[in-house]
Amino acid sequence: QQQVKQSPQSLIVQKGGISIINCAYENTAFDYFPWYQQFPGKGPALLIAIRPDVSEKKEGRFTISFNKSAKQFSLHIMDSQPGDSATYFCAASATYNQGGKLIFGQGTELSVKP
Amino acid sequence: NAGVTQTPKFRILKIGQSMTLQCAQDMNHNYMYWYRQDPGMGLKLIYYSVGAGITDKGEVPNGYNVSRSTTEDFPLRLELAAPSQTSVYFCASSSQGVSTEAFFGQGTRLTVV
Repeated sequence: QQQVKQSPQSLIVQKGGISIINCAYENTAFDYFPWYQQFPGKGPALLIAIRPDVSEKKEGRFTISFNKSAKQFSLHIMDSQPGDSATYFCAASATYNQGGKLIFGQGTELSVKP
Repeated sequence: NAGVTQTPKFRILKIGQSMTLQCAQDMNHNYMYWYRQDPGMGLKLIYYSVGAGITDKGEVPNGYNVSRSTTEDFPLRLELAAPSQTSVYFCASSSQGVSTEAFFGQGTRLTVV
């Protein structure tokens, strides 16, 4: 019930293309869904986050789509750039779960080709 | 703007040795976390703390111990290191826990041989 499943494990996209990463969860108590971006040799950094009271959130070229009934959410990167090449993690946490414990997906290694 | 600082950045341990991974944050955050990252497995929570003097287990606590004597510091202790503890360890902190940004350190790459 605590799992967050992420796919694909790796993704290659041409510059200017759309990158799509999907996540699915089981625990219906999850109510916070962030995406983290990690560059090699660095720690993860928050990219964008959504709560289940909205179905979509957009920040620049990055959009989260959220489907509460399907228990799925996805990250869309529009006009992908080589500088977006990184590992992306989806995560989830529940308000009842004291301490803000984030449950992470397995990660997607994105490579954007020039 | 130091943020979350982890030391050391790299370490090689022999089986059975012990060590402490240090983590310090200067943002006055109450919540702190230790994660380990293994290839293809994402980040797994080892231990977390909601304030000085309070710690609790995460998903994978076996073989580790923590303490939180101050708001700033959250060291992770490995006793009797095993090859299964070869991993990259990340410390993180946040101001309120749920629904707020977690700030990560740059990680400690540990190899147990």
